[in-house]
Amino acid sequence: EVQLLESGGGLVQPGGSLRLSCAASGFIFSSYAITWVRQAPGKGLEWVSTITGSDSVTYYADSVKGRFTISRDSSKNTVFLHMYSLRAEDTALYYCAKGAGGSFSYHTDVWGTGTTVAVSS
Amino acid sequence: IVLTQSPGTLSLFPGDRATLSCRASQRLSGNYLAWYQQKAGQAPRLLMYGVSGRATGIPDRFSGSGSGTDFTLTISRLEPEDAAVYYCHQYSRSPPWTFGQGTKVEIK
Repeated sequence: EVQLLESGGGLVQPGGSLRLSCAASGFIFSSYAITWVRQAPGKGLEWVSTITGSDSVTYYADSVKGRFTISRDSSKNTVFLHMYSLRAEDTALYYCAKGAGGSFSYHTDVWGTGTTVAVSS
Repeated sequence: IVLTQSPGTLSLFPGDRATLSCRASQRLSGNYLAWYQQKAGQAPRLLMYGVSGRATGIPDRFSGSGSGTDFTLTISRLEPEDAAVYYCHQYSRSPPWTFGQGTKVEIK
């Protein structure tokens, strides 16, 4: 069974940093892209970042470019989202999702349950 | 690409037909359009991909159609468990990916 489990969320002050993890199981990890999508409280879905499969090409939304870094560790079947210079508007439930293929142009087919990030002083 | 969904809320009876619209601000090249269902307190679930491909385990009362800038998700016979927010999503080859703002389906 394909599973994704996010962790690493929490309360952080504006300007602070956080690292989210997405632990994957049930599929050949290196063959699939992984995407982060966030959802602010009571709001809709916002694409954040994607990392492709074996070649690890990265893509970012303009709202996080230069502040967030996505990476993957195939030895741990885990994708990380390093978040720096956090702002109040980054407060959201962060989901990781598996792509249906290895490149950028595949839809996401399985989602985790999310981890909550709150940015507040 | 901005995706605009309508209506904002749909309130229907069980057995009714639901038609959800998603309009793109520019033509989508390739069928890179998906629909997700999000029930309260849950993660989104993939319903449709490539405009009309039904995801694994999705009942055939769900169908997708459209091309260019106008896309539709149809639920032919509403069930009580279909109460949710539905999002369209374009995943073109070039970033950024975008989602519509969602349509809430209420079952009377």
